[in-house]
Amino acid sequence: DAGVTQSPTHLIKTRGQHVTLRCSPISGHKSVSWYQQVLGQGPQFIFQYYEKEERGRGNFPDRFSARQFPNYSSELNVNALLLGDSALYLCASSFEVGVKSETQYFGPGTRLLVL
Amino acid sequence: GQQLNQSPQSMFIQEGEDVSMNCTSSSIFNTWLWYKQDPGEGPVLLIALYKAGELTSNGRLTAQFGITRKDSFLNISASIPSDVGIYFCAGQRPTGNQFYFGTGTSLTVIP
Repeated sequence: DAGVTQSPTHLIKTRGQHVTLRCSPISGHKSVSWYQQVLGQGPQFIFQYYEKEERGRGNFPDRFSARQFPNYSSELNVNALLLGDSALYLCASSFEVGVKSETQYFGPGTRLLVL
Repeated sequence: GQQLNQSPQSMFIQEGEDVSMNCTSSSIFNTWLWYKQDPGEGPVLLIALYKAGELTSNGRLTAQFGITRKDSFLNISASIPSDVGIYFCAGQRPTGNQFYFGTGTSLTVIP
């Protein structure tokens, strides 16, 4: 079975541009979470979606938005890119949320460089 | 922001040695996950813990959910070169769905 897939693998943008990152969860998983990981740090939570609804939001500006589609895939959108948005963006999928045994599985990430 | 403190920050060990690392928090967590991340790749799940006091093994890896619910430990026995990487703990609080990640422990194994 395929794991979590993300596209694109790498992306270069300039300040002020917009970017869309995509994620497909593990088959059968209904929840997708997005994380930002800057070099040398642990992943920082951005959003969690479950059954197409937002279930959690981290401390990120409104320039960051996301959505989940009926097939449980997800998009992360970032507007008005800043240099500080350069990071590895990770997607994690889980079967469901809010249960004691929730476990998250990560994709390979999208490396975003903002110039 | 980050709520989990991992230590040590980095380790340099000889092949065959055992490794211990831990993760602590000021808050109670009801789930602890341990991941390994290689450069440029996504974290890979190693062990999941769901109950205070739980001790779980995965091959040479053993992790424990602290009884105070504010800490967790990961041990690697008889380290090998492919154990090299950054190890992250992640915790989920009783309220909310967010997972908080630690600062990571960088492991270098010297052959």
